[in-house]
Amino acid sequence: QLQLQESGPGLVKPSETLSLICTVSGGSLNSSPYYWGWLRQPPGKGLEWIGSMYSSGSSYYKPSLESRITISLDTSKNQFSLKLSSVTAADTAVYYCARGIAASGLVNWGQGTLITVSS
Amino acid sequence: DIQMTQSPSSVSASVGDRVTISCRASQDISRWLAWYQQKPGKAPTLLIYTASSLQTGVPSRFSGSGSGTDFTLTISSLQPEDFATYYCQQAHSFPVTFGPGTKVDVK
Repeated sequence: QLQLQESGPGLVKPSETLSLICTVSGGSLNSSPYYWGWLRQPPGKGLEWIGSMYSSGSSYYKPSLESRITISLDTSKNQFSLKLSSVTAADTAVYYCARGIAASGLVNWGQGTLITVSS
Repeated sequence: DIQMTQSPSSVSASVGDRVTISCRASQDISRWLAWYQQKPGKAPTLLIYTASSLQTGVPSRFSGSGSGTDFTLTISSLQPEDFATYYCQQAHSFPVTFGPGTKVDVK
């Protein structure tokens, strides 16, 4: 059974870069036709998609965040990562990693990790 | 971007009630729509994909319908474990977008 687990710092200072890793077990990053993605949910608010990447290297980012986002896959470690630069308090949220299928939805989710941006 | 709206934003219901949640897309997305359930402090779980296909393990009291721009999630007989927030998501194209959510709470 596929499992995803986010790991990250918990607290990030304003203007710094947030780095998160998602470790995948029970499945391969190279499996088709899946994509791997990041989402977030500010406290008390709805879900926001950040970006996704296929093992082929094709990537898609939320336009309003695109200038600050990097998503990458490390197939040797079966991990994928998110880097979000120049963070502000508005980036405080629970961050989720997930596996999706195009035209179907996000089938598998990590448990989420709370990231707080504060000095 | 494709904008998603949901109605109502919240609904109060009792165990055994039939609950219907609506979702509308800002443009034609054919049947590329998914529904999720989220309970407090937990990750969302996929309930329905391609508008009406039930994800493995999801109880048959959940059903989805619609195509184009208008979609519906129905819970035929609400159970205690169904009190949660429900989101629709368009799977037609990137960027992926979600509706704002509908909270189902106890009447």
